[in-house]
Amino acid sequence: QTVVTQEPSFSVSPGGTVTLTCGLSSGSVSTNSYPSWYQQTPGLAPRTLISNTNTRSSGVPDRFAGSILGNKAALTITGAQADDESDYYCVLYMGSGIFVFGGGTQLTVL
Amino acid sequence: EEQLLESGGGLVQPGGSLRLSCVASGFSFSSYSMSWVRQAPGKGLEWVLGISGSGDSTYYPDSVKGRLTISRDNSKNTLFLQINSLRAEDTAVYFCAKGGWYNHFDLWGQGILVTVSS
Repeated sequence: QTVVTQEPSFSVSPGGTVTLTCGLSSGSVSTNSYPSWYQQTPGLAPRTLISNTNTRSSGVPDRFAGSILGNKAALTITGAQADDESDYYCVLYMGSGIFVFGGGTQLTVL
Repeated sequence: EEQLLESGGGLVQPGGSLRLSCVASGFSFSSYSMSWVRQAPGKGLEWVLGISGSGDSTYYPDSVKGRLTISRDNSKNTLFLQINSLRAEDTAVYFCAKGGWYNHFDLWGQGILVTVSS
């Protein structure tokens, strides 16, 4: 069974830069996985940040950027702000209509 | 304004059944694949089911085949999730999401809580 891996937690200082990654338990992530990223505050619905590797959703500041780094998808937050403190999830398309979410990264800004 | 609104959740006994609904507005519902995503208490997001815009094709991971069924009524702009033989591990907030096939999820409902307990 394919597992999508994310760092369980990460910490960044206000104004700092952080890169969260999204990998596969076996194999590499490519653009063919159509990686997308979501931000979620506990108790609320997810907010779509990035689709198709690097396309920002409407209203998402350009501090958020998606990419492929090596064999993983990546979400880079530049100039982190206090309200970026959230859970971040990636999801990968496995083909045949099947998606798998990563376990999520809890980002702390302090 | 695009919107998704779920309903039908609540407390259900183990072994019971439940049907969730999601009413869409503000976009051409039949043109888009739709999905259900769930989140158990304190856990991460889990994609559980998808359906094509026409409703002709459905997509399931092996883990939910047989107990969870997705369907849609395009005449009523409504997405459904039928869950049978409910188990404690089905306890979760269920989100309706616009997206599926290979398209990302670009619109989310507010979520509806399903609690399976005796």
